[in-house]
Amino acid sequence: SQQGEEDPQALSIQEGENATMNCSYKTSINNLQWYRQNSGRGLVHLILIRSNEREKHSGRLRVTLDTSKKSSSLLITASRAADTASYFCATNLPNAGGTSYGKLTFGQGTILTVHP
Amino acid sequence: ETGVTQTPRHLVMGMTNKKSLKCEQHLGHNAMYWYKQSAKKPLELMFVYNFKEQTENNSVPSRFSPECPNSSHLFLHLHTLQPEDSALYLCASSQDGRVGLKEQFFGPGTRLTVL
Repeated sequence: SQQGEEDPQALSIQEGENATMNCSYKTSINNLQWYRQNSGRGLVHLILIRSNEREKHSGRLRVTLDTSKKSSSLLITASRAADTASYFCATNLPNAGGTSYGKLTFGQGTILTVHP
Repeated sequence: ETGVTQTPRHLVMGMTNKKSLKCEQHLGHNAMYWYKQSAKKPLELMFVYNFKEQTENNSVPSRFSPECPNSSHLFLHLHTLQPEDSALYLCASSQDGRVGLKEQFFGPGTRLTVL
């Protein structure tokens, strides 16, 4: 099974509503990152949260991390039609020496549709 | 734009062809990555280069051959591919991956179709 798994697989909301996506993982991490991908395009980095952080904000985005539950959530407030995209969480795992070699493991993503 | 460019954006090739994908980053990063994104599958890491040296090969078949001549350029040479290799191939870069991970910056991808 996947290191990072997003839930739900698909989410459909109206403009102005909030959207919450969840990510669960299985092993200890250095950090967890959220990315957005518009259809058929490259990924865009949204937020990086380190294992010793519990919450981060960026504009309308709020990310939480609960290392005891091995889970993270991404909240998009006051959603817009332009937020329609796939959202991925990605985990960075420490290697045996405890350092990071830049390897990310991605989940399968949540497809968010925001209706005008 | 993210500062990472990829060419071509679309490629159709036969199983006996040889082609190359090119990636260039203008961010001064020292780590570069190739990913494969297939339908209904998570993004798969293929190769990682740090300071032009390959530091990760994620059990990729030899019909995919990466090349990193300098920290700004990354190539993926393709030969005798199979139809199941059809996918979106994404290039990414980040600051030196050996000292702790920063965010990765992705190019727009090359949509590859193998006939």
